[in-house]
Formats: sequence, structure tokens, C-alpha cells
Amino acid sequence: AQSVTQLGSHVSVSEGALVLLRCNYSSSVPPYLFWYVQYPNQGLQLLLKYTSAATLVKGINGFEAEFKKSETSFHLTKPSAHMSDAAEYFCAASLGDSGAGSYQLTFGKGTKLSVIP
Amino acid sequence: DVKVTQSSRYLVKRTGEKVFLECVQDMDHENMFWYRQDPGLGLRLIYFSYDVKMKEKGDIPEGYSVSREKKERFSLILESASTNQTSMYLCASSLEWRGTEAFFGQGTRLTVV
Repeated sequence: AQSVTQLGSHVSVSEGALVLLRCNYSSSVPPYLFWYVQYPNQGLQLLLKYTSAATLVKGINGFEAEFKKSETSFHLTKPSAHMSDAAEYFCAASLGDSGAGSYQLTFGKGTKLSVIP
Repeated sequence: DVKVTQSSRYLVKRTGEKVFLECVQDMDHENMFWYRQDPGLGLRLIYFSYDVKMKEKGDIPEGYSVSREKKERFSLILESASTNQTSMYLCASSLEWRGTEAFFGQGTRLTVV
């Protein structure tokens, strides 16, 4: 089955430390991949997306992600965590390969990031 | 900027009531989606629509229906609300292209008592 898996429902980092949020996908066709962020009681906001143009994708707020086909991964990183990065992060993939209406996103279960002062 | 607007941020309804959640997008997107979000379960797709009057069941359609009479508006209907439908509901829209992202509304936190 096609799926998106995020390893770790909660991640804590110290302010200024590296942020690494993991995402793996399972798909029989080349996927399009996305990372979203959600602040408390808000909707989801796109951080970045991979659409096969480049394997290293830069997004907003200093985040970036690297697509690794051999590892079926799309991990999200940020060199130095800031207090304002505390939020929930969702990895998503467009896994459908054909047909009208097949372009919905499949989401991982989310990773809540805490930043410790 | 794309704007997806959900009619209510917070709703409290009684068990058995018929509940309407409204969503409007202003970017002429073909696709519209309804998700529910619960702690530890992530986002689960309830229904989506890829054209006016077209609808497809998602992963958890039981207890819900939808309506899309106009391209910009997608309504989620709880025919008879139950306490297990207490959740955050998120509406989203996107272009009809596989590599496009979905744009989300602010969410409606529904409590059924």
C-alpha cells in the first residue's frame, strides 16, 4: 500500500541545535513530496515541496529537505532551531499515478517539534 | 495569495443535530478536500471533489456527506452528529495537477456534546 511514515511523533531539540524530522514514503510511482507546518489552532502551511526538479529543496524559515530515492526518504532539516519553530510538522505525498481525482495528498501522522530554551 | 476560508473556527453542536461546515476558495481550483485531524492520527481524508457536482469518498466517509454546487464552495455535512465526530476539520483546495500543493483553511474545531 502507498503510504507516508514519519518517524517520531515528538522531537525535542535545544535552541540553536540541528532539527531533523524524518519522513519515508512507499510508492510504486515517482512521488511528489511536501512538508507542511501547523501552528496551534491553525491550518497547514506549506514549507517546501519536491517535484523532481532538484533533490535538495529549500523552503521557508530556513528549512530544507533532501529527496533520496534509494532510501525512499524526504527528511526535513534546519541547521539551527529557533523557539518559533515549535509546531507540528507533516510530511505528505502525491502518490496517485493517473485518473481524475487521483491527486489527493497522503499525509504522515505528524511530528510535534519542541524547542527547549 | 490563495485563500481558503472556513465559515467557523469553533462550533459546538448537540448529538443528533445536522451540521454544515462550509469552505470557500478564491483561486479557481478544481480540487477541494475535507480532512479531519485527531491527535496521533494525523490528517484523514473524508471526501474530495475534483469538479462541480463530483465527489469521491476518502478514507473515512462514514457519517459524512458533501456538496459542491459551485466550483469555489465545498460543504461537509454531518447528517446526525455524534460525539465521535468531535474533531478538527480542515478544508483544502488544489489545482488538478499531481505536483501541486494543497492550500488549507484555518480549520473548524467541532465539539459534539
